[in-house]
Amino acid sequence: QVQLQESGPGLVKPSQTLSLTCTVSGGSISSGGYYWSWIRQHPGKGLEWIGSIYYSGSAYYNPSLKSRVIISVDTSENQFSLMLSSMTAADTAVYYCATTDTNGFIIYWGQGTLVTVSS
Amino acid sequence: QSALTQPPSASGSPGQSVTISCTGTSSDVGGYSYVSWYQQHPGKAPKLMIYDVNKRPSGVPDRFSGSKSGNTASLTVSGLQAEDEADYYCSSYAGNNNLVFGGGTKLTVL
Repeated sequence: QVQLQESGPGLVKPSQTLSLTCTVSGGSISSGGYYWSWIRQHPGKGLEWIGSIYYSGSAYYNPSLKSRVIISVDTSENQFSLMLSSMTAADTAVYYCATTDTNGFIIYWGQGTLVTVSS
Repeated sequence: QSALTQPPSASGSPGQSVTISCTGTSSDVGGYSYVSWYQQHPGKAPKLMIYDVNKRPSGVPDRFSGSKSGNTASLTVSGLQAEDEADYYCSSYAGNNNLVFGGGTKLTVL
């Protein structure tokens, strides 16, 4: 069973860039067949897809966030990462990394990490 | 892309059935048979309950079923149990490797 674990700062200052990493265990990103995604959930709100990446490095982003997002993959470390620039209070959320089937459904979720934007 | 539309709340008594709707457009729900549903208990990560409109992952009770008609997908929970009380989210493939979620429905077991 694939397990995912998010890591990164829990507090980010406004205007800074958030950097999160997801470490995958129990499966290899480079084996293909799945996309690796970032999803966030604002406090008390619904889920928002941020973007996904394939092991080859092809990345796809939510159009509403595309100008601020970069998702990258490191197959040698079996990790993928999220960078979200120009953070504001509106980006305060729980950030999840996840394994996504090619049909778009999310098979495995990380436990999530709360990121707060505050000075 | 806009979020899919779900009712904010739904409820039913133990043993009853409840259906949650998820309305999108022809660019997402109506255009693909790639609708999925997730259950989320407070403080926990979501859990996949239905994928590809009406398929259940191993381990999900057959009390959970999914369907789709046009631009609206539905999740039906039959024989409601106390542990079914949770938030439920729908999601759909939206073309160009994009995904879109619904706003979520809080299911209360009375």
